[in-house]
Amino acid sequence: AQKITQTQPGMFVQEKEAVTLDCTYDTSDQSYGLFWYKQPSSGEMIFLIYQGSYDEQNATEGRYSLNFQKARKSANLVISASQLGDSAMYFCAMRGNAGNNRKLIWGLGTSLAVNP
Amino acid sequence: DVKVTQSSRYLVKRTGEKVFLECVQDMDHENMFWYRQDPGLGLRLIYFSYDVKMKEKGDIPEGYSVSREKKERFSLILESASTNQTSMYLCASSLRNNMNTEAFFGQGTRLTVV
Repeated sequence: AQKITQTQPGMFVQEKEAVTLDCTYDTSDQSYGLFWYKQPSSGEMIFLIYQGSYDEQNATEGRYSLNFQKARKSANLVISASQLGDSAMYFCAMRGNAGNNRKLIWGLGTSLAVNP
Repeated sequence: DVKVTQSSRYLVKRTGEKVFLECVQDMDHENMFWYRQDPGLGLRLIYFSYDVKMKEKGDIPEGYSVSREKKERFSLILESASTNQTSMYLCASSLRNNMNTEAFFGQGTRLTVV
């Protein structure tokens, strides 16, 4: 069975500093995709970044980068130069490529607070 | 930009009522999903649909049904609302159902059953 683990229920970071949010996963699929979403207090889930299991380079989208270590089954999100608007819940998710594994599997999330 | 719109942001219903949560997407996506989100439990999949008139049960379908008569609209129905269905409900859609396709979400509906 597929599983996503986010071990940090809450994190604090100072404005303008970088922060890493941890995500580990478990899957029997050879091909899979990893996603990070942001959920502000307003409730909407916002897609941030994607990493494919066969991608050799770590994904980058603006201030977001994904530190993908396949052997360790980890897909940590790095936010550089944190801003006050980054305060939100962050969810890691995974999707396999076959059968029932195509459903998105979610971690429980990490609450990030950016301090001024 | 993809837009997924849920009919209500906040909803208060009485126990035993039949409740309809509507979701519409404007990007011709094949796949649509309904999740509920509860503190400490994360997102749990209720139902999903890969095509018009097709539906499949997710992880927690009990007490819910769905309808997809048109490609753009996916409705979640609480047949007889109960207090344990008080939750945040999130609708999502995705173009395809494979590993590299992200899902786009609506703004969520906070449902309170009293």
